[in-house]
Amino acid sequence: QLQLQESGPGLVKPSETLSLTCTVSGGSISTTTYYWGWIRQPPGKGLEWIGSLYYNGRTYYNSSLKSRVTISEDSSDKQFSLTLSSVTAADTAIYFCARQEFGGSWHFDSWGQGTLVTVSS
Amino acid sequence: DIQMTQSPSSVSASVGDRVTISCRASQDVSTWLAWYQHKPGRAPQLLIYSASYLQTGVPSRFSGSGSGTHFTLTISSLQPEDVATYYCQQAKDFPPLTFGGGTRVEIK
Repeated sequence: QLQLQESGPGLVKPSETLSLTCTVSGGSISTTTYYWGWIRQPPGKGLEWIGSLYYNGRTYYNSSLKSRVTISEDSSDKQFSLTLSSVTAADTAIYFCARQEFGGSWHFDSWGQGTLVTVSS
Repeated sequence: DIQMTQSPSSVSASVGDRVTISCRASQDVSTWLAWYQHKPGRAPQLLIYSASYLQTGVPSRFSGSGSGTHFTLTISSLQPEDVATYYCQQAKDFPPLTFGGGTRVEIK
């Protein structure tokens, strides 16, 4: 059974870079059938798509974050990462990684539990 | 970007009631729409994809309908374990994709 787990610092200072890793177990990100995405939820707010990664390195980003965000595959085929630069308090959120179906409604069919990242000095 | 508007923002109903949640798109998204259930502290769960297809393992009391700009998620008989926030998500012409603002479902 596929499982995803986010990891990374829970506290980041303003203007610094947020870095998170998603570890996939029970599967591999080197598949043509799925994309791999990051979604976040600020406190008390709804879900926001950050971006998505395909196995060949192709990436798509939310235009509102595009200048600050990078999603990439790590050296193993079991991890992918998110970096968000120049963070502010507005980037405080629960960050989720998820597997995304290729095509159709491009839905996310498996999610991690999420990790809270607070931006504060 | 296509905007998704959910209504109501919250609903309170009794166990066994039928609950309907609406999701409207700012432009035609065909049937490129999914629904999720999210409980605090838990991973969101896919309920419905392509507007009306029930994800494997999801109880049959959940159903989705609609196309174009108006979609509906229905819980035919509300159960205590259905207390959660529900989100719609569209991906017409991905990227981008956008979520609705969410609908909180509570037990009366």
